[in-house]
Amino acid sequence: GESVGLHLPTLSVQEGDNSIINCAYSNSASDYFIWYKQESGKGPQFIIDIRSNMDKRQGQRVTVLLNKTVKHLSLQIAATQPGDSAVYFCAENIGGATNKLIFGTGTLLAVQP
Amino acid sequence: DAGVTQSPTHLIKTRGQHVTLRCSPISGHKSVSWYQQVLGQGPQFIFQYYEKEERGRGNFPDRFSARQFPNYSSELNVNALLLGDSALYLCASSLVQGGGTEAFFGQGTRLTVV
Repeated sequence: GESVGLHLPTLSVQEGDNSIINCAYSNSASDYFIWYKQESGKGPQFIIDIRSNMDKRQGQRVTVLLNKTVKHLSLQIAATQPGDSAVYFCAENIGGATNKLIFGTGTLLAVQP
Repeated sequence: DAGVTQSPTHLIKTRGQHVTLRCSPISGHKSVSWYQQVLGQGPQFIFQYYEKEERGRGNFPDRFSARQFPNYSSELNVNALLLGDSALYLCASSLVQGGGTEAFFGQGTRLTVV
């Protein structure tokens, strides 16, 4: 079936440390992945995306790694700040003619000052 | 530039009633998708519309319907509301249809059914 799951429901880190949020996906046909950040009471905010022909992509303070062999995705946040505290979702798209995204249940990142 | 806008932001309805939620995509974006997010879970895909036609539908009952207008804005309609329809309804905007296209979300409409 379709599923995108996260290994850790809650991640607590100290301010300034690096954070790593993991995600497993089950559909080997998925060819596009997005990480979203969702703060309480708000809609998901686009962070970074990666296509299946890549294994790494970097943004500002964030890096996404894709391992297609084991169907695993991770989001690395460098020098985590209190403002990074939120729920993080990975989402997969199986391509074709649809924009349909399949989301996991999310990981709560709690940054301790 | 304005992002994806949704209205209303909050709504309280009684069981059995009907509700209409509205979404305006980012200027220039032609694809709109709707998602339902129940508290504590990830968003679940409901519909995708592109060029006023339905291009995808999730596993939701026929009580849920949507449409897209010539200006690419969209409405989501839910009939015969149930308590379980209480959720955050999200609209996502994409430039085009098709996989591999960035999707940007609005702030959502919080629907409470009592």
